[in-house]
Order: sequence, then C-alpha cells, then structure tokens
Amino acid sequence: GAVVSQHPSRVICKSGTSVKIECRSLDFQATTMFWYRQFPKKSLMLMATSNEGSKATYEQGVEKDKFLINHASLTLSTLTVTSAHPEDSSFYICSATTSGQETQYFGPGTRLLVL
Amino acid sequence: AQSVAQPEDQVNVAEGNPLTVKCTYSVSGNPYLFWYVQYPNRGLQFLLKYITGDNLVKGSYGFEAEFNKSQTSFHLKKPSALVSDSALYFCAVRGPLGVYGQNFVFGPGTRLSVLP
Repeated sequence: GAVVSQHPSRVICKSGTSVKIECRSLDFQATTMFWYRQFPKKSLMLMATSNEGSKATYEQGVEKDKFLINHASLTLSTLTVTSAHPEDSSFYICSATTSGQETQYFGPGTRLLVL
Repeated sequence: AQSVAQPEDQVNVAEGNPLTVKCTYSVSGNPYLFWYVQYPNRGLQFLLKYITGDNLVKGSYGFEAEFNKSQTSFHLKKPSALVSDSALYFCAVRGPLGVYGQNFVFGPGTRLSVLP
C-alpha cells in the first residue's frame, strides 16, 4: 500500500517551453501533496504544499507563477514548470499523505533537463 | 524552528559489520522522526518512524533506530550491513503543526557505502 507514482520519469525540453509533471497516489486518497526539488548530492528542498481543491502554499523563494501546482483530485497533483530555463534542470519529487497519517510517501521522482 | 543534522556526509562499513547513521534534531514540542532511504535516481523510500512509545523502533529491511530524548538523537542502525544497503539516507523531523500540519524538515543526507 501507499504507492505514489510520477510521470514522466525523465524529460528533456528546450528552453522556453513548459513541462507538466504528474503525481498520483495509486492506492490511497491524498489529502495533501508536497513537491520537492533535489539538487545533485543535496537534500530535498520543499517547494510547495497543496491540499485537494485548494491553492498551493509556496515556500519562500519559490515563484508561484513559474511553478504552477494543481491538486484537482484526491489522487492527482500536477506541477507545471512554465517557460523552463536551464537553471530549472533538477530532480523533482512529490510526496503524498492523507489526513491523520504522519508519514509522507514519495514518488520515484522526475528528472528534468532543460537545454 | 525545527532542524535536522546528519554529521557525517559519508559512512563506510564492511559487509556483515554493524552500521550506524547518525541524526540529531531540534524541534519544539514532541518530535515526529523519520528515516528514508534513496537509491540512485529514485524517490525516497520510508524506512521507519518514531511517534511515541518504545524508544527503539524497528523498520524495513532490518533497520532500527533509537530515539534518545536527552541527546535529541535518532540514530539509524543495522546489526549486519549488506552491500545492497548502499544508498543515501535521510533523517527527517515533522515540524509543529502548521497550516497543513505536515511539513517535514530533512537532514542533508548521509551516503552509506557497504564494502564487500
């Protein structure tokens, strides 16, 4: 149980294009989903927290207009990197949890490379 | 504000020997503590957690961790290391209840290498 998937696992795009990453909870309803960014050999940096049906709460320094988060259902959240630039290249990881649960369950991550 | 320290960037241990990956934390109130493992180019896998109860917590793959309130530590241990345990290990603490009550703070990670 508690499986989280991400799609795509890897994406390469040209500078200036937008990329959408999906995060799905496969066997539970995720009331809250988190998006993290991880730089090489570094820890996870929380980007934003989203509750189903609500606007995401962004961490300080994260541009909400650049990293659009939608949490339209209890099993799906999407992160769209708009007008991507090479500095947006990174490993993006989502996690999900449900009301009353202490544990976050993580997706396998999406590696984004912007050329 | 809550914080997590993992004092060792790298831990090397021979296969079959016991291993310890250290973690200390700072948080107001009772801590919720977690260990996750990350294999190359993969997301994080949950290993174990301490919420309340026994200080010694047993988790997946033979790992355990000991909560020590006086030392504010939550070290990860395994009696006999396997080569397949080689990975990046993250300690995390759940912060005080915020808007969504679920914010995690992760340590910087410790890379474990088990040598055959």
